[in-house]
Amino acid sequence: EPEVTQTPSHQVTQMGQEVILRCVPISNHLYFYWYRQILGQKVEFLVSFYNNEISEKSEIFDDQFSVERPDGSNFTLKIRSTKLEDSAMYFCASKELGTDTQYFGPGTRLTVL
Amino acid sequence: QKEVEQNSGPLSVPEGAIASLNCTYSDRGSQSFFWYRQYSGKSPELIMSIYSNGDKEDGRFTAQLNKASQYVSLLIRDSQPSDSATYLCAVSSGTYKYIFGTGTRLKVLA
Repeated sequence: EPEVTQTPSHQVTQMGQEVILRCVPISNHLYFYWYRQILGQKVEFLVSFYNNEISEKSEIFDDQFSVERPDGSNFTLKIRSTKLEDSAMYFCASKELGTDTQYFGPGTRLTVL
Repeated sequence: QKEVEQNSGPLSVPEGAIASLNCTYSDRGSQSFFWYRQYSGKSPELIMSIYSNGDKEDGRFTAQLNKASQYVSLLIRDSQPSDSATYLCAVSSGTYKYIFGTGTRLKVLA
């Protein structure tokens, strides 16, 4: 069964460093999403992406964040200058055109020291 | 601010009982409603989606939607210890944004 994959599974970085989280959505999916979940808290929407552009973003998704689909398979989230409060699990999700069902990847745990 | 509210729990039920999980949402324009299950340290896994008022059944799970009351619920019949997880309610008013509640932690006692 096709699935969303994410790499790395765990990323440790120093405050102020740039990180890139990578996702490979399901191949025929056209909508892509990033969410984050701080430990013990709720899943928070960051951004949605369709047709090579951002469709919607939350107030969390400020200038420190960017997304890109550099090729036909990868979808990346970049955090330019990480802060301690960026430590969280980051989930990528994708969905097919005409459906409402999102499929989540296993997540990347980001730890900012 | 569009919100989705859930009781954080834990909700403890004995094995074999019915677990009832509830969710309210603030955006009257919401069109799509979802229940996800999340095990500790794992990603959310879709259990059910519901779009119109009434009940929708899938195996041991029944989702109920009441748009007038802005209320969604999930019933789990014949609860099993393996159902112990956090249940997330999510709501969408379109294709591009999904709002999650904080989740209700369910414990099924053997």
